[in-house]
Amino acid sequence: DVKVTQSSRYLVKRTGEKVFLECVQDMDHENMFWYRQDPGLGLRLIYFSYDVKMKEKGDIPEGYSVSREKKERFSLILESASTNQTSMYLCASSFNWGPRDRATDTQYFGPGTRLTVL
Amino acid sequence: KQEVTQIPAALSVPEGENLVLNCSFTDSAIYNLQWFRQDPGKGLTSLLLIQSSQREQTSGRLNASLDKSSGRSTLYIAASQPGDSATYLCAVRRGTGGFKTIFGAGTRLFVKA
Repeated sequence: DVKVTQSSRYLVKRTGEKVFLECVQDMDHENMFWYRQDPGLGLRLIYFSYDVKMKEKGDIPEGYSVSREKKERFSLILESASTNQTSMYLCASSFNWGPRDRATDTQYFGPGTRLTVL
Repeated sequence: KQEVTQIPAALSVPEGENLVLNCSFTDSAIYNLQWFRQDPGKGLTSLLLIQSSQREQTSGRLNASLDKSSGRSTLYIAASQPGDSATYLCAVRRGTGGFKTIFGAGTRLFVKA
């Protein structure tokens, strides 16, 4: 079974702190994603990565950065946390898309990190 | 811009009832559509994935349909059980491939024993 793990289930930080959220997957997936989930808004893509050291901005990248030094690990960084970044953060991974992957073209999610910024 | 809407936002049904959850999307040029389940405070679990060329997918008591022309998908749950209580999310991957998936806000389902 695919396993996606996130470093913390719950995290409380203060405004202005630098915050690292870590995500690790064990299935050799090329793609990794960071989403945030807020009530009534669904999941919104922050950043994604399709290969080591490669990254692309999602729909709401402002205030965030990412790092992917190894294939299995994708980190989300809040350079200076703010109260409006209080949210549930979800990491996901998937195989690289393409005709051979159509049957397995799904994202596997971690359990989430609930971040509170005071 | 693709938008995904799920109605209703919440639904409460007695155990044993058959039910339908609805998902609509504004751009019919999709690559695939996926239904996920999310338990409170947890991540998402994939239930069914429908490719753009398919009309439906089935898994156990679940059946998902896709009508691209009308921009609609439904998730049918037969003989609902209290263990089905969760939030169900619909997600659409855009037709040009790539990686962006647009999620609906979800329908929160309560199945009463």
